[in-house]
Amino acid sequence: EIVMTQSPATLSVSPGERATLSCRASQSVSSNLAWYQQKPGQAPRLLIYGASTRATGIPARFSGSGSGTEFTLTISSLQSEDFAVYYCQQYNNWPLYTFGQGTKLEIK
Amino acid sequence: EVQLVESGGGLVQPGRSLRLSCAASGFTFDDYAMHWVRQAPGKGLEWVSGISWNSGSIGYADSVKGRFTISRDNAKNSLYLQMNSLRAEDTALYYCAKGSEMATITTAFDIWGQGTMVTVSS
Repeated sequence: EIVMTQSPATLSVSPGERATLSCRASQSVSSNLAWYQQKPGQAPRLLIYGASTRATGIPARFSGSGSGTEFTLTISSLQSEDFAVYYCQQYNNWPLYTFGQGTKLEIK
Repeated sequence: EVQLVESGGGLVQPGRSLRLSCAASGFTFDDYAMHWVRQAPGKGLEWVSGISWNSGSIGYADSVKGRFTISRDNAKNSLYLQMNSLRAEDTALYYCAKGSEMATITTAFDIWGQGTMVTVSS
């Protein structure tokens, strides 16, 4: 099983500032890495797939980078609606996909 | 509108069975892989199981292998999860999710339902 480790567990950032979230895979997942956003009481929403491609309707302030085992999600200028929990997921190792434990992005 | 609607959750005793359903609409269901993902109360996301567009490839998390069975009926635009020998640790909100690219299992999940709650307790 590929273990996905996200850091930090909680990130406190002020609105308008940049947020950088990290995700590490225990072995290479190539670029088969997705990022999801989840707000309380809501289903997850796909933000990024293929490590760096924004999903439909996702604002340009969200960007993803990385390949292999190290990945980053950057939110360039935080808006109030961006405070949520973010998960990374590898979909390279079929038939066993895995999520990271999540990073909670909170208002500083 | 692309939509996934789960049903079938509820309160069940340990050791009993439950069958979840997911009704899909607004897209060509038999073009896409489908998945079940669960979230225990206050916890993170856990991938449970996935099935390719033609049911030719199926996978399970180790935590449910041998107890859960995923299936789909493309004629009915529906996805299912048969859960047997349920345990307290299976208590979670179960989401149905759609693969984002046609005709491949190696994709992210672009559409999610709102989930159906399963509680395993005596």
